[in-house]
Amino acid sequence: DTAVSQTPKYLVTQMGNDKSIKCEQNLGHDTMYWYKQDSKKFLKIMFSYNNKELIINETVPNRFSPKSPDKAHLNLHINSLELGDSAVYFCASSQAGGWVETQYFGPGTRLLVL
Amino acid sequence: GIQVEQSPPDLILQEGANSTLRCNFSDSVNNLQWFHQNPWGQLINLFYIPSGTKQNGRLSATTVATERYSLLYISSSQTTDSGVYFCAVALYSGNTPLVFGKGTRLSVIA
Repeated sequence: DTAVSQTPKYLVTQMGNDKSIKCEQNLGHDTMYWYKQDSKKFLKIMFSYNNKELIINETVPNRFSPKSPDKAHLNLHINSLELGDSAVYFCASSQAGGWVETQYFGPGTRLLVL
Repeated sequence: GIQVEQSPPDLILQEGANSTLRCNFSDSVNNLQWFHQNPWGQLINLFYIPSGTKQNGRLSATTVATERYSLLYISSSQTTDSGVYFCAVALYSGNTPLVFGKGTRLSVIA
């Protein structure tokens, strides 16, 4: 059984479009995250949600908006896509509300903006 | 913010060789994890090790929190060990994000 799943795995789209990436975890974790990995493999936190509430919002363009319908899901909506948004987006989850627990990562969504 | 430096940036090994990867961090942490990103891009948890030593098969890790470094040991390397190894830490102050190093790219050749 997949612990943290993301859909789609690959997303190719045109500049200016709006797209969403879905994330689900079946671990019963309280906290979920979105990370971005750029072309140089550098991983950086974007957002964190704890029990459906936003607790971390790093410097990310407001074209990116996370939505958490329940604590098992954290979706990422991206409006007006730009070339620079091309990257791999990882969803992750952890047990506690803080940052002392192991984070488990999904398989990633490879976004290519043309 | 906290700085995480990994060394070496690149490493090429013959199958069967041993290696040590290092992670230095600039502040006290309450979370340190090692990940392996395989050639297909999957991030795999190796260790949660804010302090002490752990072993899992051919892999082991040691974190000396007071000296702000962690080491990942790979023994008898196999081609399937190839990929990028990341160290990630979170500050002691809590509710702070995981900060990743730039990784060590390991290539194991037969």
